[in-house]
Amino acid sequence: QSVLTQPPSASGTPGQRVTISCSGSSSNIGSNTVNWYQQLPGTAPKLLIYSNNQRPSGVPDRFSGSKSGTSASLAISGLQSEDEADYYCASWDDTVFGGGTHLTVL
Amino acid sequence: EVQLLESGGDLVQPGGSLRLSCAASGFTFTNYAMSWVRQAPGKGLEWVSAINDGGGDTYYGESVKGRFTISRDNSKNTLYLQMNSLRAEDTAVYYCAKRSQYRSSWYTDYWGQGTLVTVSS
Repeated sequence: QSVLTQPPSASGTPGQRVTISCSGSSSNIGSNTVNWYQQLPGTAPKLLIYSNNQRPSGVPDRFSGSKSGTSASLAISGLQSEDEADYYCASWDDTVFGGGTHLTVL
Repeated sequence: EVQLLESGGDLVQPGGSLRLSCAASGFTFTNYAMSWVRQAPGKGLEWVSAINDGGGDTYYGESVKGRFTISRDNSKNTLYLQMNSLRAEDTAVYYCAKRSQYRSSWYTDYWGQGTLVTVSS
């Protein structure tokens, strides 16, 4: 049972915009920033978004993050086949994670 | 280029011990906090432990507190995880990770490829 709650799956068609939610509580998301990680099949996680909405260099601007209260969201616009992966949210300085959302590009 | 290379994963019996190592390169190791994060087969990510840049401050997840010890040798650019009293539920891929700070918050900007620890009789 993960501390942060994510939907187990999400899907979209190429070019579509999809969002992945992450729900927590006042002790984690409510008082800390949220980071997002992408894990392609068989590989290590990769940083996608840090501090709620900051993109590291090299991450396409199709990826964006937001936070409100005790919830956060990752949005992916212009969905591409290579975006098919598992996505994890994390908070409280990355000491708590969501259970992950598997994104399928139909 | 940042590289984190884990080693030491193995098959071990319940109650046994194992030490993981992570050789870091491509950045000034002594300037960064580090952590271990694990992923059980087919499951999500779980934070295990973290250590500050100097090695004087260490932090542990509840599931490993008292059994695992994180340490680092800054002269060798190497991070360690000593795992004792291993249980079946410790079976996972263990990732070495570099931490960075933005304003007052931390995040993980680089991950190693992982090393598999299997606890089974």
